[in-house]
Amino acid sequence: DSGVTQTPKHLITATGQRVTLRCSPRSGDLSVYWYQQSLDQGLQFLIQYYNGEERAKGNILERFSAQQFPDLHSELNLSSLELGDSALYFCASSVVWSSYNEQFFGPGTRLTVL
Amino acid sequence: DQQVKQNSPSLSVQEGRISILNCDYTNSMFDYFLWYKKYPAEGPTFLISISSIKDKNEDGRFTVFLNKSAKHLSLHIVPSQPGDSAVYFCAARGASGGTSYGKLTFGQGTILTVHP
Repeated sequence: DSGVTQTPKHLITATGQRVTLRCSPRSGDLSVYWYQQSLDQGLQFLIQYYNGEERAKGNILERFSAQQFPDLHSELNLSSLELGDSALYFCASSVVWSSYNEQFFGPGTRLTVL
Repeated sequence: DQQVKQNSPSLSVQEGRISILNCDYTNSMFDYFLWYKKYPAEGPTFLISISSIKDKNEDGRFTVFLNKSAKHLSLHIVPSQPGDSAVYFCAARGASGGTSYGKLTFGQGTILTVHP
């Protein structure tokens, strides 16, 4: 158990819909990262927040957005969903903003778009 | 544009033998390379890393080798154990001065199966 929690574990929805994925970082961690893992793909970095502010952006679609709240939990919002958005979405957290090996990953949310 | 590639989707090894997982990269603007291990229904777990200024780092049964001229790194597991069966991802961190500073770029993963 990494200490990072993600809800829900599974999500099934239809094209065109909007969903929100939630992440609670480890206690004391200020940085939250979101990754997407599609079939046959490695983890793709989406976005990072540090203490409530956006710190870095990866290949995140305009239909996707995220935020980190004052209690440091983060939400990833996916809208106008397409079949290709079906993937595993991981959240990771770390104490400082530039950590690499100190990123602790949650168990992921599996999104299925029908 | 896949900057970090793991060309072997899977690897099967006998218990006690050496497992060698390979990773190639195309971007010279990486300062750290990492290996993560992932079991089903869990998130990736950090395994071992190596700085771009080194060519070898060892931690118990795990050794990572970096060949900068070939833009290649490998993870050696000796001896392999059935509990090592998992998906292994290599990742590279963007160096300062580049547009990807601090970001991790992951390979597609290699499924390692260690047979008893």
